[in-house]
Amino acid sequence: GVTQSPTHLIKTRGQQVTLRCSSQSGHNTVSWYQQALGQGPQFIFQYYREEENGRGNFPPRFSGLQFPNDSSELNVNALELDDSALYLCASSLEAIPDEQFFGPGTRLTVL
Amino acid sequence: SQKIEQNSEALNIQEGKTATLTCNYTNYSPAYLQWYRQDPGRGPVFLLLIRENEKEKRKERLKVTFDTTLKQSLFHITASQPADSATYLCALPNTDKLIFGTGTRLQVFP
Repeated sequence: GVTQSPTHLIKTRGQQVTLRCSSQSGHNTVSWYQQALGQGPQFIFQYYREEENGRGNFPPRFSGLQFPNDSSELNVNALELDDSALYLCASSLEAIPDEQFFGPGTRLTVL
Repeated sequence: SQKIEQNSEALNIQEGKTATLTCNYTNYSPAYLQWYRQDPGRGPVFLLLIRENEKEKRKERLKVTFDTTLKQSLFHITASQPADSATYLCALPNTDKLIFGTGTRLQVFP
């Protein structure tokens, strides 16, 4: 399955954070989402075969990488209080998937 | 602008009854629609996908309908159980991404 680390993270405003995701084996697409409390997941960006393949309405301080070994990461610079959320990664076989497999998420709290 | 609406109020039903959740969308013509289940503090879990040329799809106690004229999908859980209590999200593809609704929380009580 899809795994994410860490499970929980507490940072202060202005700091930088890196969240990690391990995709399901063989999946070449990973998407990252931000989910605020009581909201649905909001698309941040997607990586397909190690290249960014679409981006939602998030500023450039949100960046990502995808590696050949089924792992990927989400980096957020200059953290703001509103960045506090559950961050989800999802892997799939295709860029516009019939089905995505989500990880358990990383709960980020920015103080 | 494109919008997906799910009832933000929780749906409370008695065990054994049928739960019906609604997903409405505007300014979209999606090729398909997905439903996910999400438990508190967990990632969403894919349940069903229904394509625009399908009116209805079933999986065990789940049934989904898709009315492209009304721009609406209905998600039914028959013979509901307390274990079905969760938030249910609908999602539609939009160019290069999936757009999720805010979800509806279902509470099934004994």
